[in-house]
Amino acid sequence: GENVEQHPSTLSVQEGDSAVIKCTYSDSASNYFPWYKQELGKRPQLIIDIRSNVGEKKDQRIAVTLNKTAKHFSLHITETQPEDSAVYFCAARHFGNEKLTFGTGTRLTIIP
Amino acid sequence: DAGITQSPRHKVTETGTPVTLRCHQTENHRYMYWYRQDPGHGLRLIHYSYGVKDTDKGEVSDGYSVSRSKTEDFLLTLESATSSQTSVYFCAIRGTYEQYFGPGTRLTVT
Repeated sequence: GENVEQHPSTLSVQEGDSAVIKCTYSDSASNYFPWYKQELGKRPQLIIDIRSNVGEKKDQRIAVTLNKTAKHFSLHITETQPEDSAVYFCAARHFGNEKLTFGTGTRLTIIP
Repeated sequence: DAGITQSPRHKVTETGTPVTLRCHQTENHRYMYWYRQDPGHGLRLIHYSYGVKDTDKGEVSDGYSVSRSKTEDFLLTLESATSSQTSVYFCAIRGTYEQYFGPGTRLTVT
């Protein structure tokens, strides 16, 4: 089955700097890669996703890149703000599979 | 928030008692999921459903059962709650691609 590894497990970034979280996946058939943000005591919220027919997707300060050959994808947050502090989860799925496989999460702390 | 609710939101119960958690959606999505979230373990899939009366096990299904008699409702039952089942439980629904989570239920088994 699919295995998703996520790094780093914790990340501290000065406010205004950029943050990058990386994930690798094992199933070459995976073709859908979402990212979730979970604030303390809240539900995971889908913040951006990418499908395998594109290499990059941006939404304001966040972007996701995908390298299918290397089987890894990354979340980039630019101009970080205190409200970006949260736990971020990556995930992967291929369309023949009903289940998302999640990474173990990255706790991002923005230092004011 | 994607038309998904969970009840109850908080519950304290005693070891050995049965507990049922409810997930309700208004989106008419085919797929529904139950996860548990514990510190250090991320999100772990308990059971999922791909239609009315169609369910399957996830990675941590022991001690849990599910039922789906209507498209909009997916029930998770702990037949005899144990302290190891103290956790936060999230329901999720999925459309074609995106998966959305409910607000969660915090369950404490004493």
